[in-house]
Amino acid sequence: GQQLNQSPQSMFIQEGEDVSMNCTSSSIFNTWLWYKQDPGEGPVLLIALYKAGELTSNGRLTAQFGITRKDSFLNISASIPSDVGIYFCAGRSGGSNYKLTFGKGTLLTVNP
Amino acid sequence: GAVVSQHPSRVICKSGTSVKIECRSLDFQATTMFWYRQFPKQSLMLMATSNEGSKATYEQGVEKDKFLINHASLTLSTLTVTSAHPEDSSFYICSAQSGTVHLEQFFGPGTRLTVL
Repeated sequence: GQQLNQSPQSMFIQEGEDVSMNCTSSSIFNTWLWYKQDPGEGPVLLIALYKAGELTSNGRLTAQFGITRKDSFLNISASIPSDVGIYFCAGRSGGSNYKLTFGKGTLLTVNP
Repeated sequence: GAVVSQHPSRVICKSGTSVKIECRSLDFQATTMFWYRQFPKQSLMLMATSNEGSKATYEQGVEKDKFLINHASLTLSTLTVTSAHPEDSSFYICSAQSGTVHLEQFFGPGTRLTVL
């Protein structure tokens, strides 16, 4: 089946630093999504990408849909303590298959 | 917009009992809802896809008779864990699919199930 490799697995950074994380897939996706999950909560959608090459921003967050459609990255600029959490990428193949394939997550810790 | 609620947020039950978890889309209609399970420090694992008015589609390895899913309306899906055992203890999260073009999934806040 489809596999998503998300890296890094965890990051420890200082407040104000920029962060980058990425996901690569063994197969093509038509949609890439980035979610953030706080402890004991459900994932919250941050950015959705629908076209290869698409670059989308949401405040301090920027994500890109790779040209090959097999990868995506998420950047967070000028990190703040509330950015702490687990970030998941998710891909969807499209067509009649609505299911999402999730990466294993990146645990972000921001030191004030 | 696109708010999904779950009830209860946490539940503790005795082994052998059944537990029902509700998932509601509060401000949109969802013909498709999904049920996930998440173990500590792991990613979300899809259990089943729930379509309004029809039987749920279960992922391989998920027992349909143990995890009963009902999607009776466009805003409500329920997951019943029957004859729960300690190994069923987990974080259960639902999502609802919104829209007709991009079909984004919005997640509920999750339900923490502990089976004693």
